[in-house]
Amino acid sequence: EVQLVESGGGLVQPGGSLRLSCAASGFTFSRFWMSWVRQAPGKGLEWVGNINEDGSRRDYVDSVEGRFTISRDNAKRSLFLQMNSLRGEDTAVYYCARDGSTASMDVWGQGTTVTVSS
Amino acid sequence: VVMTQSPLSLPVTLGLPASISCRSSRSLEHSDGNTYLNWFQQRPGQSPRRLIYELSNRDSGVPDRFSGSGSGTDFTLKISRVEAEDIGVYYCMQGTHWPRTFGQGTKVEIK
Repeated sequence: EVQLVESGGGLVQPGGSLRLSCAASGFTFSRFWMSWVRQAPGKGLEWVGNINEDGSRRDYVDSVEGRFTISRDNAKRSLFLQMNSLRGEDTAVYYCARDGSTASMDVWGQGTTVTVSS
Repeated sequence: VVMTQSPLSLPVTLGLPASISCRSSRSLEHSDGNTYLNWFQQRPGQSPRRLIYELSNRDSGVPDRFSGSGSGTDFTLKISRVEAEDIGVYYCMQGTHWPRTFGQGTKVEIK
């Protein structure tokens, strides 16, 4: 079964840092681009960024550029999101998702919640 | 690219058809000839699930009562006969232009 499981969410103070992880199983992780998508409480979906198969290319939405870093460890079938200089508006459920070949996300994790508050 | 969905709330009757509109601020036809318009369903308390990719292709396991259509800047998701399991929020998303952007979501609820 194709599966993505996020972890690492929690409560962090404004200006703090947090690292999210996503464990992949059931598919050849190293052959796929991967994305992070977030959803603020009661709001819609926002694509955060993605990373290519070998980690040599990463793209981010402007609102997180310079603060968030996506990385991956193909040997461990894991995706990461390092979040620095966190702000209240970063409070959201963060989803890990697999990028299909169609500029879209075809498999999603269950999400992990990040709350930025003092 | 701004994606605008309508309506934002859609009361539906079980067994009857329903449709959701999505408009983009720029044409979503890519230079490679494909239109990277997707539809996602998010049931209450669940993660999003992709239903439709590249305008009109259903994902594996998606019932054939769901269909996607459109061109250029105007797109539609149709449900031929609404079932109770279809309640939730539906999002369109474009992947043609960077960055990927979603519509605001349309909440489908039973009348």
